[in-house]
Amino acid sequence: AIRLTQSPSSLSASTGDRVTITCRASQGIATYLAWYQQKPGKAPKLLIHAASTLHSEVPSRFSGGGSGTDFTLTISPLQSEDSATYYCLQYFNYPQTFGQGTKVEI
Amino acid sequence: EVQLVESGGGLVQPGGSLRLSCAASGFTFSDHYMDWVRQAPGMGLEWVGRSRNKVNSYSTEYAASVRGRFIISRDDSYMHLYMNNLATEDSAVYYCARVSSFGSLNDFWGQGTLVTVSS
Repeated sequence: AIRLTQSPSSLSASTGDRVTITCRASQGIATYLAWYQQKPGKAPKLLIHAASTLHSEVPSRFSGGGSGTDFTLTISPLQSEDSATYYCLQYFNYPQTFGQGTKVEI
Repeated sequence: EVQLVESGGGLVQPGGSLRLSCAASGFTFSDHYMDWVRQAPGMGLEWVGRSRNKVNSYSTEYAASVRGRFIISRDDSYMHLYMNNLATEDSAVYYCARVSSFGSLNDFWGQGTLVTVSS
């Protein structure tokens, strides 16, 4: 199975900041990568698919990039409601796999 | 509005069985692949299995960790997850999630149902 490694595992930032989370795949996955936001006690919400395509109704302060093995999720400017855990997902092949998550505290 | 509602979670003893259900509305359920994804307490997300759409006979795929113990069944209205020979490591919130029409990823998730395996 393809392994996804996110960094950092957690971060603390202030409103208005620019934060970047990285996701590295153990093998090339083209742009078959998605990003999710999960708040405590809630289901994950899709933010970005195809590495850089914003899902419907997702604010434009979220952006994604990368291809192959290295990907980024950037939030700028950071808002208080962005406090959550963020996961990357590869859907290049079975089984789809998730990164371990990055907790963003504000 | 797309809605997915899971039910059936609860406390079960090791070695026991449980059936989870997912009720869908707001979209043509039979057109979509559907997944089960779980999350152990305080942990990350793990894909459990998939049911393809009606055109593909609702055929299934499973994660290695559950293959042979879990079975996904589905009709035009509901998807079920039959879980057998449960172990403590199966304790998790189980989510029903729709597979998108624009790629093999999940675009909508239910609120989840908690399964606790403990004696």
